[in-house]
Amino acid sequence: QKEVEQNSGPLSVPEGAIASLNCTYSDRVSQSFFWYRQYSGKSPELIMSIYSNGDKEDGRFTAQLNKASQYVSLLIRDSQPSDSATYLCAVNQAGTALIFGKGTTLSVSS
Amino acid sequence: DTGVSQDPRHKITKRGQNVTFRCDPISEHNRLYWYRQTLGQGPEFLTYFQNEAQLEKSRLLSDRFSAERPKGSFSTLEIQRTEQGDSAMYLCASSLGTLDGYTFGSGTRLTVV
Repeated sequence: QKEVEQNSGPLSVPEGAIASLNCTYSDRVSQSFFWYRQYSGKSPELIMSIYSNGDKEDGRFTAQLNKASQYVSLLIRDSQPSDSATYLCAVNQAGTALIFGKGTTLSVSS
Repeated sequence: DTGVSQDPRHKITKRGQNVTFRCDPISEHNRLYWYRQTLGQGPEFLTYFQNEAQLEKSRLLSDRFSAERPKGSFSTLEIQRTEQGDSAMYLCASSLGTLDGYTFGSGTRLTVV
């Protein structure tokens, strides 16, 4: 059974702080890794993708991947109240569909 | 192209009735996926298509669920003899390649009463 694990939270950070979200996955042959943001009552929105070990930065977001440890993380710098949402980690390999974690709820207080 | 479209946005049905949902993917995307999401959970995979071929179906999926993509464009998901446990958000997504991220539609919220 392929699994993606995330702490459900809530993770609470003050405005301007760095939020760190973590995810582990069970299938060693996973090839692509994604972070989605989901606001309450809305559908998931893709915010980051990463395929190779290391860091990938896009604006205030940095995704980090460590395949040896089967670990993916998302850092959000200068957190804003508008970042308050549930963040979903998703993993797949070629020929299969994305497997999602349960998501981590982030709350950014002003 | 306005993204992935789903219809209807909301559906309330009585237990035992059949329901059908429609999804129109991004036109150049040949892969289409159906997921189900309940409160506090991540999206749960149901099935996916590459063009008109249904390539994978979740083993957890009841025989009451069926999906089609007859011409490799839009897709329908039918639930027969609905049960209260079927109440959920049904999400459709599409992608271009096998390792690309998905674009989700707005979802269809099903309530079985």
